Amino acid sequence: QVQLQESGPGLVKPPQTLSLICSVSGDSISSVGYYWNWIRRLPGKGLEWVGYVAYTGSPYYNPSLKSRLSITLDTSKNHFSLRLTSVTAADTAVYYCARARPPFYYFGMDVWGQGTAVTVS
Amino acid sequence: QSALTQPASVSGSPGQSVTISCTGSSSDVGGYNYVSWYQQHPGKAPKLLIYEVSTRHSGVSNRFSGSKSGNAASLTISGLQAEDEADYFCESYTRDSSLIFGGGTKLTVL
Repeated sequence: QVQLQESGPGLVKPPQTLSLICSVSGDSISSVGYYWNWIRRLPGKGLEWVGYVAYTGSPYYNPSLKSRLSITLDTSKNHFSLRLTSVTAADTAVYYCARARPPFYYFGMDVWGQGTAVTVS
Repeated sequence: QSALTQPASVSGSPGQSVTISCTGSSSDVGGYNYVSWYQQHPGKAPKLLIYEVSTRHSGVSNRFSGSKSGNAASLTISGLQAEDEADYFCESYTRDSSLIFGGGTKLTVL
């Protein structure tokens, strides 16, 4: 059974860089077809899709975050990472990682991590 | 791009049915049959309920059903149970090949 677990600093100062890791267990992150996503829940608001990295290592980002965002795959450690530069208070959120089967928009995100809270202050 | 529009809250009594709407545009909900729904209990991760507008994810109760008409999708929960009290989010594929979520709806079981 695949499990995802987020890790990272709970507090980041603006305008520093936020770095998070999603560790994957129970399957290889390079298994053919999967898309590995980051999603965040903003305080008092809904969910926001941040972006994904495909099993090939190719990323795709939310256009609103694209200029500050990098999502990468590390097959040797079986995890994927998020890097968000120049953070502000507006980036304060609970960040989730989640898996999607291909095509990434079709079957929904069926496995999620428990989330990690990040405060920018 | 603005979030999909959902009612902030809905409520119903045990055994009743409730419907949660999700309104977008022809660039997202109306343009594609790729709408998913998620349930999130406080402090927990979201759980996939529905994908491709109306297909239930494996293991999801048949009390949950999805539909779409024009630029609006809907999630109906029948035979309400106390455990259904949670936040619900819709998600849609968009014209710029990304995903967009709704603002979320808090369901209260009276």
